[in-house]
Amino acid sequence: GQNIDQPTEMTATEGAIVQINCTYQTSGFNGLFWYQQHAGEAPTFLSYNVLDGLEEKGRFSSFLSRSKGYSYLLLKELQMKDSASYLCAVSPDRDNYGQNFVFGPGTRLSVLP
Amino acid sequence: DARVTQTPRHKVTEMGQEVTMRCQPILGHNTVFWYRQTMMQGLELLAYFRNRAPLDDSGMPKDRFSAEMPDATLATLKIQPSEPRDSAVYFCASGPGLAGGRINEQFFGPGTRLTVL
Repeated sequence: GQNIDQPTEMTATEGAIVQINCTYQTSGFNGLFWYQQHAGEAPTFLSYNVLDGLEEKGRFSSFLSRSKGYSYLLLKELQMKDSASYLCAVSPDRDNYGQNFVFGPGTRLSVLP
Repeated sequence: DARVTQTPRHKVTEMGQEVTMRCQPILGHNTVFWYRQTMMQGLELLAYFRNRAPLDDSGMPKDRFSAEMPDATLATLKIQPSEPRDSAVYFCASGPGLAGGRINEQFFGPGTRLTVL
């Protein structure tokens, strides 16, 4: 089966740094994606990792360790608008045929003034 | 600005009625996905298509749900008969799939918020 775990909720202060973890156990691995979802809206793409290491994109960075089945999303200089759910998703197919994603339960981040 | 569009945005219906949700994927995307999101279950994959062919609908209750792609610009998700437990937000997403040597991100539509009374 496919399993992806994330903390349910996190709270941080405006201007701070927060790290949201994701662990996965899937039948295969063709990439890991992070999405942001504001309440009442659709998920929007944030980042993609397929090789081990850190990918940086402005205030957001994402890290991947394939051997550990582990990723994190790092948000720096937090702003109130970063209050949202953050979804980790894995493309699990071994042969790239399906190209589907398995989504984690999401982490609800609250940024406080 | 290319976007996935979905109609209707909101639907309230009574138990037993048929519900049809429509999605227009981004032009040129060859993969289309239907998801359902609830507070309890999170984002669940119901069905997906590649080049209009259904690849997997194992996440869908077969007795009442059906998904089709009559053409490249339209995907439909139908529930017949609907039940209160079907109340959820249904998202359609599309993506270029495998391109540029990697799996590419999916782009989500705004969703259809379904309430079955």
